[in-house]
Amino acid sequence: AQRVTQPEKLLSVFKGAPVELKCNYSYSGSPELFWYVQYSRQRLQLLLRHISRESIKGFTADLNKGETSFHLKKPFAQEEDSAMYYCALRSSSGSARQLTFGSGTQLTVLP
Amino acid sequence: EAGVAQSPRYKIIEKRQSVAFWCNPISGHATLYWYQQILGQGPKLLIQFQNNGVVDDSQLPKDRFSAERLKGVDSTLKIQPAKLEDSAVYLCASSYSGQKTYEQYFGPGTRLTVT
Repeated sequence: AQRVTQPEKLLSVFKGAPVELKCNYSYSGSPELFWYVQYSRQRLQLLLRHISRESIKGFTADLNKGETSFHLKKPFAQEEDSAMYYCALRSSSGSARQLTFGSGTQLTVLP
Repeated sequence: EAGVAQSPRYKIIEKRQSVAFWCNPISGHATLYWYQQILGQGPKLLIQFQNNGVVDDSQLPKDRFSAERLKGVDSTLKIQPAKLEDSAVYLCASSYSGQKTYEQYFGPGTRLTVT
């Protein structure tokens, strides 16, 4: 069974401060990890995927298989980063390859 | 491109009543998903369609929930009879099939309250 854990329901940081949203996973195979984001009054949308190893809106995330983690980081938070962030895992095999979401972290960036 | 459409946006019903939700995916997306999101939790997949066939419905409570995608486009999700614990936001999402199923486009959701 696959499982995604986001230990922090709420996270507040000041503008310009670094931010890290934690994500840990449990999966027996080789996982694919993603971050989805939902801004206020908007729809849930894909932010980034670990395979691409790119920076989106200044955010990066590195897959650490040893620690089974996929933390989302940004060196200087902006107020527009305030949103709900969900970590998600997709299985690497099977016909469905469904996404399993964590419970989410509400990030608030204070002025 | 037009996004995923869902209706209604809000629904309040009493327990033991029935309810139906509708979803229209993005044109060209073969894969359609229904998720249940209970307050304070992440979305949980209920059912996944590829065209008009079911790929995964392992987490769908089949004694009360049903879903169909008859022509491979629109989909409906039904609950009959509803229970208090069905109060949640029901999200529809769509994606291209195969490798691209990780990039799902979500609708605005239907907020269901069962009293």
